[in-house]
Amino acid sequence: EPEVTQTPSHQVTQMGQEVILRCVPISNHLYFYWYRQILGQKVEFLVSFYNNEISEKSEIFDDQFSVERPDGSNFTLKIRSTKLEDSAMYFCASRAGTGNTDTQYFGPGTRLTVL
Amino acid sequence: SQKIEQNSEALNIQEGKTATLTCNYTNYSPAYLQWYRQDPGRGPVFLLLIRENEKEKRKERLKVTFDTTLKQSLFHITASQPADSATYLCALDPNNAGNMLTFGGGTRLMVKP
Repeated sequence: EPEVTQTPSHQVTQMGQEVILRCVPISNHLYFYWYRQILGQKVEFLVSFYNNEISEKSEIFDDQFSVERPDGSNFTLKIRSTKLEDSAMYFCASRAGTGNTDTQYFGPGTRLTVL
Repeated sequence: SQKIEQNSEALNIQEGKTATLTCNYTNYSPAYLQWYRQDPGRGPVFLLLIRENEKEKRKERLKVTFDTTLKQSLFHITASQPADSATYLCALDPNNAGNMLTFGGGTRLMVKP
């Protein structure tokens, strides 16, 4: 069964450094998402992406964040200058796009630790 | 304000019993609602999606109901097993546009042998 994959599984970085989290969505899916989950808290929406454009973003997704689909398979989340409070699990998700109610499938996550 | 609420206390049940988890929402009008399973340190795994015109949906030992009048969804696991122990999340699309999901805080289920 097709799966969303994410790399790396764990990223440790120093405050102020740039990080890029990578995702390979399910093939033929058209909609892509990033969510985060701070330890012990809810899964929170960050951004959605369709047709090479951001379609929705939350208040969390400020100028320090950016997303890109550099080729036909990868979808990346960049944090330009990491802060301690960016430490969280980051989940990528994708959706086929056959209708608004079809399901989002999540990847296993990248644990980001900012020191 | 808009809220999605799940019982934050863990639900402990005996193997073989039926687990019932609740998701209540306020100030949303979702066209559909989804349930996910999350194991520690892992991503949410999709279980079931129920639309507003569906009162009930079943998949193997899982059953979901959706009452738009009560603004509530119930998630049932029948004949529960220790392997069902996990956190269960409900999620809805606040704009019904497919652009995002808003999650509840999840309920942790512990099934004891």
